[in-house]
Amino acid sequence: KQEVTQIPAALSVPEGENLVLNCSFTDSAIYNLQWFRQDPGKGLTSLLLIQSSQREQTSGRLNASLDKSSGRSTLYIAASQPGDSATYLCALSTGTASKLTFGTGTRLQVTL
Amino acid sequence: GAVVSQHPSWVICKSGTSVKIECRSLDFQATTMFWYRQFPKQSLMLMATSNEGSKATYEQGVEKDKFLINHASLTLSTLTVTSAHPEDSSFYICSARPGGPESSYNSPLHFGNGTRLTVT
Repeated sequence: KQEVTQIPAALSVPEGENLVLNCSFTDSAIYNLQWFRQDPGKGLTSLLLIQSSQREQTSGRLNASLDKSSGRSTLYIAASQPGDSATYLCALSTGTASKLTFGTGTRLQVTL
Repeated sequence: GAVVSQHPSWVICKSGTSVKIECRSLDFQATTMFWYRQFPKQSLMLMATSNEGSKATYEQGVEKDKFLINHASLTLSTLTVTSAHPEDSSFYICSARPGGPESSYNSPLHFGNGTRLTVT
């Protein structure tokens, strides 16, 4: 059974800092890994999707990497802004029907 | 881009009543939609996979007679929580991917904004 863990559970950084969020998983037989953002009481916004054959994806200030052999993915956020404050979730697609297994999430707060 | 709409965004109901939540794909067709549940400060847990024109597939531990799923068209799936109890209070989120069964697993899933259910 796939288990997905995110560290740290919560993180507070001052505006402008670069930061890294971590996601680890136990089963490397994945189709892809997706990073999401969730604002309080809201749904999910897809940030980046990395296919199993890829090692990283970039979008603006975000960069996500994938190392299947070690069961790890990182989300790098450059020059953080208060608007980046949210919960970040990684999710893996394994098996059939593209079901996603979600991580435990990292609650990020970027302070002024 | 692909938009998934959920309705209502929040609902309060009395114990024993039933509540229906709608999930619509606004600008694409989806033969498959997914229903998730999220308890406070926890991550999302898949409840069931909704298949257009056929029965839903439920995850282990999810009561199919309590959580009725209907996927009557390529753009609409509904989740009905029957005889709701306070322990059913949760945040319910649906998701969908554009395309049919042949659509690539490597295209992103799109999520609705969720429905906050409170059972009193």
